[in-house]
Amino acid sequence: DAKTTQPPSMDCAEGRAANLPCNHSTISGNEYVYWYRQIHSQGPQYIIHGLKNNETNEMASLIITEDRKSSTLILPHATLRDTAVYYCIVRDQDNYGQNFVFGPGTRLSVLP
Amino acid sequence: DTEVTQTPKHLVMGMTNKKSLKCEQHMGHRAMYWYKQKAKKPPELMFVYSYEKLSINESVPSRFSPECPNSSLLNLHLHALQPEDSALYLCASSHRAGTADNSPLHFGNGTRLTVT
Repeated sequence: DAKTTQPPSMDCAEGRAANLPCNHSTISGNEYVYWYRQIHSQGPQYIIHGLKNNETNEMASLIITEDRKSSTLILPHATLRDTAVYYCIVRDQDNYGQNFVFGPGTRLSVLP
Repeated sequence: DTEVTQTPKHLVMGMTNKKSLKCEQHMGHRAMYWYKQKAKKPPELMFVYSYEKLSINESVPSRFSPECPNSSLLNLHLHALQPEDSALYLCASSHRAGTADNSPLHFGNGTRLTVT
């Protein structure tokens, strides 16, 4: 089972920041949080991952709370092309950590 | 663009056919994965290969047969499938599999399979 929970859907106005939350209250000390997105009919696209420090790359920022029980993916200036399903994943430590288990994700709609 | 290439992009097959899905990566990754995704559902893991050896089989029916001929290639052989096997089949790779590795998975764009 997925170790994360996310809201099923969110809307965001074009040009505004999109803040996508994720709860992972059972995360253990050495487990990373990964974010992917999937645009219709394509494979999941890697966005960012982190352990405990905040991370930023050219696509997004990842803010992880100090207790590591939740995180937020921030798309600073959302565009229509950011409309997608966003998945927050904590790698399953069973099977020697080989299993990325996807939860249902958040469907983000960026509105003009 | 993706660095994981899957062929074919679309496949229609009958229930008595034998077909194969192919996946290729040239990133030097040593772990490769097959996922199955039904419409409006998240991807579900089927198989994991680590250093060309099968390390996870998520209780997948034997009509799906994976093969990893070398570190760059991953095949999924299909035989006697059912209409409910119609789905998007996704291949992914990562630097290596296991708790010592935190590198992300890189996915291909999948093969959309329809079983008639």
